[in-house]
Amino acid sequence: NAGVTQTPKFRVLKTGQSMTLLCAQDMNHEYMYWYRQDPGMGLRLIHYSVGEGTTAKGEVPDGYNVSRLKKQNFLLGLESAAPSQTSVYFCASRRRSSYNSPLHFGNGTRLTVT
Amino acid sequence: AQTVTQSQPEMSVQEAETVTLSCTYDTSESDYYLFWYKQPPSRQMILVIRQEAYKQQNATENRFSVNFQKAAKSFSLKISDSQLGDAAMYFCAYRYNGDSNYQLIWGAGTKLIIKP
Repeated sequence: NAGVTQTPKFRVLKTGQSMTLLCAQDMNHEYMYWYRQDPGMGLRLIHYSVGEGTTAKGEVPDGYNVSRLKKQNFLLGLESAAPSQTSVYFCASRRRSSYNSPLHFGNGTRLTVT
Repeated sequence: AQTVTQSQPEMSVQEAETVTLSCTYDTSESDYYLFWYKQPPSRQMILVIRQEAYKQQNATENRFSVNFQKAAKSFSLKISDSQLGDAAMYFCAYRYNGDSNYQLIWGAGTKLIIKP
């Protein structure tokens, strides 16, 4: 049972380059989230999705786009990377059926933009 | 807006001793959940314990327990009989139950060091 899988684990980009981070979950969860984690700060929500084909902005959405074409996948895109987007990115998912169902996290992607 | 504050950037404790990590939060809501997550060097976020605001009894999970003071908006985590494997970042988080999207508000984290 893989849970939540993020690819890649590490990535280095140059300013202006684009990339897509993939999050895949095999638990049939409805809700999926993308967070970024920076030193000295808690997790900040970038975008989230409450179901296939739907996405919404979180606390820090600027510079990112997302898509949820399939229920099990949630993609995070950076169209033109900036050094301020250097961070560790986490994907999480949860079941909708119960309001107290826990978040399941991936192992994160460390992104460096030079 | 809700906020979560962890005032201790770093804590250290001797192995087998007890340590308490602090968390305070600000909200005008009465129906919410509070969580403690652990993040070891592997980066995996692991749920340690959670507390529903309507429950007066403090949650307990083996060596982990909380001191939930609703009026004071305080939610501390006590780790008893500390073990080397407890070394990690610990994050406190809040979720308003009226938010249908179940978004969490996170504290900045406390780094816990276990001295052998």
